[in-house]
This record gives sequence, structure tokens and C-alpha cells, in this order.
Amino acid sequence: EPEVTQTPSHQVTQMGQEVILRCVPISNHLYFYWYRQILGQKVEFLVSFYNNEISEKSEIFDDQFSVERPDGSNFTLKIRSTKLEDSAMYFCASNSPGGGGGLDEQFFGPGTRLTVL
Amino acid sequence: DAKTTQPNSMESNEEEPVHLPCNHSTISGTDYIHWYRQLPSQGPEYVIHGLTSNVNNRMASLAIAEDRKSSTLILHRATLRDAAVYYCILRDRSSGSARQLTFGSGTQLTVLP
Repeated sequence: EPEVTQTPSHQVTQMGQEVILRCVPISNHLYFYWYRQILGQKVEFLVSFYNNEISEKSEIFDDQFSVERPDGSNFTLKIRSTKLEDSAMYFCASNSPGGGGGLDEQFFGPGTRLTVL
Repeated sequence: DAKTTQPNSMESNEEEPVHLPCNHSTISGTDYIHWYRQLPSQGPEYVIHGLTSNVNNRMASLAIAEDRKSSTLILHRATLRDAAVYYCILRDRSSGSARQLTFGSGTQLTVLP
């Protein structure tokens, strides 16, 4: 069964450093998403991406964040200068256009745990 | 946005049915009711969704009240692997910004052996 994969599973970084989190969405999917979950809190939407551009973003997704689909398979989230409060699980998700225009079920990856020291 | 209300936690015995309730009294006519779950240390996982009629799939059943102000996710025989946080999420098909999922706190389901 196809699945969303994410690397690395755990990333430790120093405050102020740049990190890139990588995701490989399911191959025929066209909508891509990043969510995060701070320990013990809700899953929060960060950004959605379609047709090589951001389609929606939340207030959390400020200038420190960027997303890219550098090739036909990877989808990346970059945090330019990490802060302590960026420590969280980051989940990538994707879905197919189907008949729901992106409202169909989203498939989530296993997440990357980011620890900022 | 229409909101949902779920109990913080529920317990069930293994191999017994579980009924997870969700209230959504401000639901609009174009809101679909989606359920996701999050197993420990994993990403969320789609369970089921519906609009007006009850729905069944291999994982669960979704019972939707006639007035659509509430719904119930039914796990027919809970297993230990079903222990997870279950999220009830409304998604408005008429909204262009509906593609994102807005997670609440969900219901933590504990399955007892």
C-alpha cells in the first residue's frame, strides 16, 4: 500500500540553525500539507501546496518557514532560523484530487520529531 | 467555522463495541463529517466520513443523526490496537479553504484487555 514517508525521523538542532524536513508524498497525489504537533497539544495546520504554489497557510507559517517541491517526488519544509518553540512533531500529508478537490482523505506520514536546543 | 465537541476520554473493553460521540450543533448543509484517529507516536489516520447517510467501511461505521447535529463513530469490536485519539472534523465542501484539516482535542480511547 502506498504511503507518505518522512525523513529524518528525529532531528536535533541548535537554536538559530536552519533545518529542512523532507517528505515523499504518495506518487499520484497533487495536494501536499505540513502540520505540526507540539508535545501534548493539538495537531495544527501549517501550509498546503498545490500546483507548485502555496494555496493556504496558517498564522504559524511566518517568514521563517518555506516549502518547496524541488523535484517530482520530494516536498520539503524549511525553517530558516529555528526557535525553541519550533520543537514539535512535523507531519507531512498528501491527497489526490479525486472528485473532492482536495477534500478527500489525507494520508499522513509518520512525522519528524524536531528538537531545538 | 462550525465546531465539534467530543468527550476528552472514553474506555472500552477489548472485543466490545465502542460508540464515540461528536456534537456539531452549528453544522452547515455543506459540511462533511470526517473522523481521523492518531495512534500513539504516529501521524493521524483517516477513518471514515459522511454527509447525511450512515456509512460503513472496513474500519468503522458512522451514524449521523437525522438533524446532523451529532454523529457517532462506531468500532464494532475494539482491539488493543484501536487505542488512539479520535478526532471528529467538519469540512465544508463549499469553502475554498476547506482542504486543511482543523483538529480539536479529540477523544482519547483506552481499550482494556
